[in-house]
Amino acid sequence: RKEVEQDPGPFNVPEGATVAFNCTYSNSASQSFFWYRQDCRKEPKLLMSVYSSGNEDGRFTAQLNRASQYISLLIRDSKLSDSATYLCVVGGDTGNMLTFGGGTRLMVKP
Amino acid sequence: GAGVSQSPSNKVTEKGKDVELRCDPISGHTALYWYRQSLGQGLEFLIYFQGNSAPDKSGLPSDRFSAERTGGSVSTLTIQRTQQEDSAVYLCASSRPPGYGYTFGSGTRLTVV
Repeated sequence: RKEVEQDPGPFNVPEGATVAFNCTYSNSASQSFFWYRQDCRKEPKLLMSVYSSGNEDGRFTAQLNRASQYISLLIRDSKLSDSATYLCVVGGDTGNMLTFGGGTRLMVKP
Repeated sequence: GAGVSQSPSNKVTEKGKDVELRCDPISGHTALYWYRQSLGQGLEFLIYFQGNSAPDKSGLPSDRFSAERTGGSVSTLTIQRTQQEDSAVYLCASSRPPGYGYTFGSGTRLTVV
């Protein structure tokens, strides 16, 4: 079993749709959680951290379920510019070392 | 600088040659990581430096790969006797410890011909 697993997609959605991605992780001692975005042929960029209480940044909402060991990302009112690969990232019990999921590809269509 | 700087941005080399890739992390970031990404694939961890601790080299694919970090700042990834399968984008990232997200450089695209 991979340490961090994601559905690779692609998720094809129309503009304005709401889309959600899930990610599962295997290390129950993981301490830090993030979503990164990677555009084609570009480096990954931090989208948002994920906090235990859940957090929201504009159209993006991230949630953490420690009991079930999964993280989710919800995107409301999808824009064409949201088309990218979304990487789920988990930090281990030592905190610093991060493990990346394989990414979920999102394609928002007009 | 404001971000993680990598050089060169592109490198084409002949099979069998050695290459050096450079990473200049964000000032004050004590942790530095090297990853590589082949076309259409996920990130592959290579090596991790944290302060003055011994580096975690568990991701290096062979003994042709080595990396050093001088003075806790700039890092160099060296690939000896390059092979075609080494062709990939090599990404460097840095972070403050612990538990902070990484900031990535824009990568070095290595092509071995």
